[in-house]
Amino acid sequence: AQSVSQHNHHVILSEAASLELGCNYSYGGTVNLFWYVQYPGQHLQLLLKYFSGDPLVKGIKGFEAEFIKSKFSFNLRKPSVQWSDTAEYFCAVNAQAAAGNKLTFGGGTRVLVKP
Amino acid sequence: ETGVTQTPRHLVMGMTNKKSLKCEQHLGHNAMYWYKQSAKKPLELMFVYNFKEQTENNSVPSRFSPECPNSSHLFLHLHTLQPEDSALYLCASSQSSGGTANNEQFFGPGTRLTVL
Repeated sequence: AQSVSQHNHHVILSEAASLELGCNYSYGGTVNLFWYVQYPGQHLQLLLKYFSGDPLVKGIKGFEAEFIKSKFSFNLRKPSVQWSDTAEYFCAVNAQAAAGNKLTFGGGTRVLVKP
Repeated sequence: ETGVTQTPRHLVMGMTNKKSLKCEQHLGHNAMYWYKQSAKKPLELMFVYNFKEQTENNSVPSRFSPECPNSSHLFLHLHTLQPEDSALYLCASSQSSGGTANNEQFFGPGTRLTVL
């Protein structure tokens, strides 16, 4: 069975700092990879996704993620965070060999950006 | 109304109660999902429906009973729950239940359930 791990449960940083959130998955086959974000009081929404092609994926709000197949990783980055990036971030994986669109989520990382 | 809506947003129930959670999607999607988010645990997929047919039951106890009368509505009927069932229950929808490139799942705000 596939699993997803996010290394940091909580991250606190100041505005303009760079952010990198780790995500590793365990599945030997082809995967689709996602980062979702949940802002305080709001729905989970898709930040970016990788299906194929360029392993460096750009998403909304200046976020990007890099798929490194050899490391089973899909780390999320933003070069300069803003206070409005305070949210919880979830990595998710869908194993393509699995029947259908079933996402396996990591435990989430709470990010607090201090103004 | 836009996106995926869920009612109620908060629910407190006793172990002997019967209640239902409702999810409605206004996106014209054909697949709907129930997820459970417990404290300090990852989001867990519970059920998947595609074109009103259940295609996935992720070993969910029978005290949770889903119902999908049409592609726009999904219910989760609850009966004789346990305190450990207290969690945030999220509904999602997507165009279909296939794992294709543009088949993004859209999530509702969730129902915060407390079982006393």
